[in-house]
Amino acid sequence: AQTVTQSQPEMSVQEAETVTLSCTYDTSESDYYLFWYKQPPSRQMILVIRQEAYKQQNATENRFSVNFQKAAKSFSLKISDSQLGDAAMYFCAYRVFSTDKLIFGTGTRLQVFP
Amino acid sequence: DSGVTQTPKHLITATGQRVTLRCSPRSGDLSVYWYQQSLDQGLQFLIQYYNGEERAKGNILERFSAQQFPDLHSELNLSSLELGDSALYFCASSVSAGTSYEQYFGPGTRLTVT
Repeated sequence: AQTVTQSQPEMSVQEAETVTLSCTYDTSESDYYLFWYKQPPSRQMILVIRQEAYKQQNATENRFSVNFQKAAKSFSLKISDSQLGDAAMYFCAYRVFSTDKLIFGTGTRLQVFP
Repeated sequence: DSGVTQTPKHLITATGQRVTLRCSPRSGDLSVYWYQQSLDQGLQFLIQYYNGEERAKGNILERFSAQQFPDLHSELNLSSLELGDSALYFCASSVSAGTSYEQYFGPGTRLTVT
């Protein structure tokens, strides 16, 4: 069975600085998708970025980028130029190829200080 | 706003009762997913429907059931409620089934069982 692990329950960063959130996963599949979702205090789940396992190039969306290491089964999220609005819970998720379901990690709470 | 709507936003009920949560997917989306977010279990996949048919099942209790109607809206029925069923229930939708399609989450229904 696939598992997703986020080992950092909480992280903090100063505004305008860079922070990296870690995620590791375990799977025997060769094709899959990985996602980072943001959950602000409103509790809405917002897709931040996704990575296709067959792509070697790391995904980037504006200030958000990932470091995808397939062999190491690692998928970290880097947030550059952090903003106060980035404060939220961040969930790493794995998409099961055969069933479409998302398997989520336990989340990392990110605090951003002015 | 993801385009996925869920009603009600909040629901407070007593143990042993039955409730129905409703989800309207984004216009044109055929696939609907239900997830449960609780303090104990984190974010868990419950069930997926695609064009009216059940496609995948996760950790859904026998006391819970779901269906997707011809107009593609979905309902999650929770019966014989227990205190531990208190959680945030999310509905998500995607264009179709298959891993290349994004899942867009609704705002969730907060269920409190007293």
